Amino acid sequence: GENVEQHPSTLSVQEGDSAVIKCTYSDSASNYFPWYKQELGKGPQLIIDIRSNVGEKKDQRIAVTLNKTAKHFSLHITETQPEDSAVYFCAASGGYSSASKIIFGSGTRLSIRP
Amino acid sequence: NAGVMQNPRHLVRRRGQEARLRCSPMKGHSHVYWYRQLPEEGLKFMVYLQKENIIDESGMPKERFSAEFPKEGPSILRIQQVVRGDSAAYFCASSPRGGRSTDTQYFGPGTRLTVL
Repeated sequence: GENVEQHPSTLSVQEGDSAVIKCTYSDSASNYFPWYKQELGKGPQLIIDIRSNVGEKKDQRIAVTLNKTAKHFSLHITETQPEDSAVYFCAASGGYSSASKIIFGSGTRLSIRP
Repeated sequence: NAGVMQNPRHLVRRRGQEARLRCSPMKGHSHVYWYRQLPEEGLKFMVYLQKENIIDESGMPKERFSAEFPKEGPSILRIQQVVRGDSAAYFCASSPRGGRSTDTQYFGPGTRLTVL
C-alpha cells in the first residue's frame, strides 16, 4: 500500500529564518497532497494542499512543491514566527490503495527559537 | 459555519468497558472518516463512511471495533471491551463529497481515550 515518509522528525529554526520539510511517497497514482498543522491537544488543521497537475503552490509565507517524477513533495515556511511552532504532517491520497483515505507521514515537530 | 464536532473530548474507561465516540460532520458534508493517533505518531486511517454505508474499513481492527453513520444523527465509533492499547486520540474528518481522492478532509478536535 501507499507509504509516506517525512523528514526531519524534529526541526528547530531561528525566528525569521526558513523551515523546510520533505516527504516522499510510494504510490505513483497518488494525486492529492495536503499538509496539516497540529497544535498540542488539537486536531490537524489543513494549511495548504497541492494536486498532481500543479508543481508549486504558494500562500503567503507557505509554499509547497511537488515532483511527481521523483515522488517528492516539500513544505517551505519563510519568515518563521513563534506561532509556527507545531507538528506538521504531510499526506498523500488518491493512490491505488488509498483512494479517498489520507495516508499521513510521521510528522515533523517544528520549534521556532526567539 | 460550525466545523467538525466530536464528543466527548476526553473519555476514560476501565479495561473491558465500552467506548462510544461521536462525530458530527460539517454542515453539508455527507462523508466521514475516522483516524487514530497514538502518542508521538501520525494519524492512521481506520474507516470511511457515507450515510448508512461503510465504504472502506480496511484500517479498522476486525474485532471489538465498529462504526456507523446513520441517516439521522452523528457518526459513532464504538470500541467494545477496551484494552490499554486502545488509548489514543481518535479523530473524525468530513468532506462534502467522497470517492474523489482530491476532496479536502476537515478534521475535528478529536476524542482522547484513556483506558485504565
